Amino acid sequence: SAVISQKPSRDICQRGTSLTIQCQVDSQVTMMFWYRQQPGQSLTLIATANQGSEATYESGFVIDKFPISRPNLTFSTLTVSNMSPEDSSIYLCSIEDSSGNTIYFGEGSWLTVV
Amino acid sequence: QQPVQSPQAVILREGEDAVINCSSSKALYSVHWYRQKHGEAPVFLMILLKGGEQKGHEKISASFNEKKQQSSLYLTASQLSYSGTYFCGTDMFSGGYNKLIFGAGTRLAVHP
Repeated sequence: SAVISQKPSRDICQRGTSLTIQCQVDSQVTMMFWYRQQPGQSLTLIATANQGSEATYESGFVIDKFPISRPNLTFSTLTVSNMSPEDSSIYLCSIEDSSGNTIYFGEGSWLTVV
Repeated sequence: QQPVQSPQAVILREGEDAVINCSSSKALYSVHWYRQKHGEAPVFLMILLKGGEQKGHEKISASFNEKKQQSSLYLTASQLSYSGTYFCGTDMFSGGYNKLIFGAGTRLAVHP
């Protein structure tokens, strides 16, 4: 399976600031997905990022709050804007494998907003 | 719609068995199972694509009943390393592509 690297792995952020999370894959992939996992909760899909087009956001998530870039087939960024303590979560980048049947996750970015 | 997992939590002694269920109100194309250990990202265990087909990973197997729109994960002779939260994910086709929607998770604790 592909290797998915995320940066930063952990960060403590001040309320009101923004943070950009990077996701790098060691092979070209069509679909990249961004998930959020709030403490003790399940995984919630934020948006799907397809190279060359605007990201598609799920209900409850908006581009102004979570802008996403997908400049090429191996890289994506998610920005968490104007953070509040409620944004404290694990943010996970994920990809589909070549068969399109399986989704693999990066190591995650653990964000704490104070 | 989010699939429904049961039970919410399981406590086992090493060597005991457990079953985790995942059901959906919608027709399923596939069911994915993941395990997440504390402080780590979820790790893919297996995918089931056909009704009634069983897959295996270590001493963990799963079945998928298309008709009943449900899947079950079987943990046999549990080991301490099985502890973690198990998530099932089901496909939802929307906007021209498939996306994975996860259940709330089942916390499994295996004690010596």
